[in-house]
Order: sequence, then C-alpha cells, then structure tokens
Amino acid sequence: AQSVAQPEDQVNVAEGNPLTVKCTYSVSGNPYLFWYVQYPNRGLQFLLKYITGDNLVKGSYGFEAEFNKSQTSFHLKKPSALVSDSALYFCAVRDMGGGSYIPTFGRGTSLIVHP
Amino acid sequence: ETGVTQTPRHLVMGMTNKKSLKCEQHLGHNAMYWYKQSAKKPLELMFVYNFKEQTENNSVPSRFSPECPNSSHLFLHLHTLQPEDSALYLCASSQETSEKLFFGSGTQLSVL
Repeated sequence: AQSVAQPEDQVNVAEGNPLTVKCTYSVSGNPYLFWYVQYPNRGLQFLLKYITGDNLVKGSYGFEAEFNKSQTSFHLKKPSALVSDSALYFCAVRDMGGGSYIPTFGRGTSLIVHP
Repeated sequence: ETGVTQTPRHLVMGMTNKKSLKCEQHLGHNAMYWYKQSAKKPLELMFVYNFKEQTENNSVPSRFSPECPNSSHLFLHLHTLQPEDSALYLCASSQETSEKLFFGSGTQLSVL
C-alpha cells in the first residue's frame, strides 16, 4: 500500500523568509513523488515531481523539493517566500513497485505568507 | 488555464434532486478522474477512466454514477445525495495514468 502524510495543517512564514512544507511517504517499492498547489477557487496545479536522479528537484515558481530516502521524506522548499505563495499544497506518492498506478494524495498544508 | 473545464462551478441541490457534473478536457489526454475534496481530508479518488473504460471505482456509493462517452468528456451523475456529500468535486486528466494530473477548477456542491 502507498500513503503520504503531511503533518502540518498550516505553515506560517514571513515574506522574504525561507519556507518548508513537510511530506513523508510510505511505499513498498521506489516512490514517484509529486507536489501540487491549489490557489483559492482553483483546481490543483502541478509544481514538481521526483522519479530518480538528483535528490533536489526544481519546479515552478521557484519551488524545489528534497528527496530523502532514509527519512522517506519529500519536503517542499523555497528560499524566499512571497505573499502570492499563500495557497494549499498537496504532496502525492505513487509506488513504482506495483499496486495502484494512481497517486495517493495527502490532506494538504495551508501555507500563509505574511507581508 | 489548465485545459480542463468543469461546469457548473457551484451547485446547490436537495437530497431528492438529480443533477450532473460535467468535465471536458482539451489536452488530448486518455485518462480522466473524479476526485472529492473535503476540508482537512486527503484528496479522495472516486473514479478513473482510461481510454473510456472505467479502471478504478474506489468503493463509491451508488448515488454517484460516472459516465465517460469519449476521451474528452466525463460526467458525474448525482441522485439522492446526503448532506455529507457536500464537497468540492474535482475532475482531472492525464496523458497516461502514471503521469502528472491536470485539474479543473472544480464544482462546489452543497447538499441541503
């Protein structure tokens, strides 16, 4: 079975400061990992994905995510937050070792960037 | 825009009504999905269609009935819903079932 956990309901950060949104996963094989963002009154938008290769993945809007196999984590990061980054962020995982080919999503983390 | 269009954006219905949600994708994708989004809960997969064939049905109650007449269109037919079915219903598509998903803006459903 595949699962993903986003331990924080909400993350607050001041504009200009670095931000981290946490995600941990569980799969039986190798993970295929995603981050999506949802702005108010919109659907989810793809930010970035990790399959293999470099553990630091760069995505849209200056976001990046770091894959850590030993900690089974895939935290989303940005060096300098913007007020416009305020949104709901979803982590998703798919087990490349078999089972469902559909990604499993977390419950989302609300990011609030204060001016 | 993502290329996935959902209508209506908002829907209020009584428990005895019958209504349908519509999704259309203009991306040439062959897989389409229905998700249910409730506050502070994981995004819940409901149905998956791949090349117009239903490949996933995640134990969804029969009061939700999907229809996929072609690769570009997906419907969710609703009847005798319950108040706990109130949620944001999202449609998504992808080129293959393992690739990234493109989401519509959703239909905010309220069941009274």
